[in-house]
Amino acid sequence: DTGVSQNPRHKITKRGQNVTFRCDPISEHNRLYWYRQTLGQGPEFLTYFQNEAQLEKSRLLSDRFSAERPKGSFSTLEIQRTEQGDSAMYLCASSLTGVETQYFGPGTRLLVL
Amino acid sequence: GDSVTQMEGPVTLSEEAFLTINCTYTATGYPSLFWYVQYPGEGLQLLLKATKADDKGSNKGFEATYRKETTSFHLEKGSVQVSDSAVYFCALTPWRYGGSQGNLIFGKGTKLSVKP
Repeated sequence: DTGVSQNPRHKITKRGQNVTFRCDPISEHNRLYWYRQTLGQGPEFLTYFQNEAQLEKSRLLSDRFSAERPKGSFSTLEIQRTEQGDSAMYLCASSLTGVETQYFGPGTRLLVL
Repeated sequence: GDSVTQMEGPVTLSEEAFLTINCTYTATGYPSLFWYVQYPGEGLQLLLKATKADDKGSNKGFEATYRKETTSFHLEKGSVQVSDSAVYFCALTPWRYGGSQGNLIFGKGTKLSVKP
């Protein structure tokens, strides 16, 4: 069990640029979740996958956000035309069907200038 | 919609003091309840959980009991240590997912500092 990994750990970008984050879940986990956390707040759900199927998306996930999990393993989260309000920590978590515990990665901290 | 409310921080205690962090929730049906902890510089970790009314979750000396009548899941520890300094998050998974496997809804977090 190598844990959930996320890359990059930090990203600084200019407003209007596109960014992409990667999440590698625990290898046998078939569910993968994306959350966003701003300073002083708890994480907020964005979307989740079971295998390669995206089963739910939050209202927080605007049209500028897209997530994929093409082969049911790693996932990417892309933000197009970034805005300053997108600055946050983006967290990925994974779990196994039938087990409630979600395991979180260290997060990718995004700063939009 | 479903939500979680937890006490505002920061909370500062002396070592060996008793800890309570209050958490209440609003949800339909029978959500599963969780406490997650975030130590400085580390990712979120599950501390304990309870999946049905009157269940008690426990781990590392921490306990919380699922109280449906008061919609609460307060976190307690009898004697805190400096190493318990962290941010604690109360969370639930909504009932519409059968109480499991769905997204987590978090409170805002409570920062605990324990002084020697």
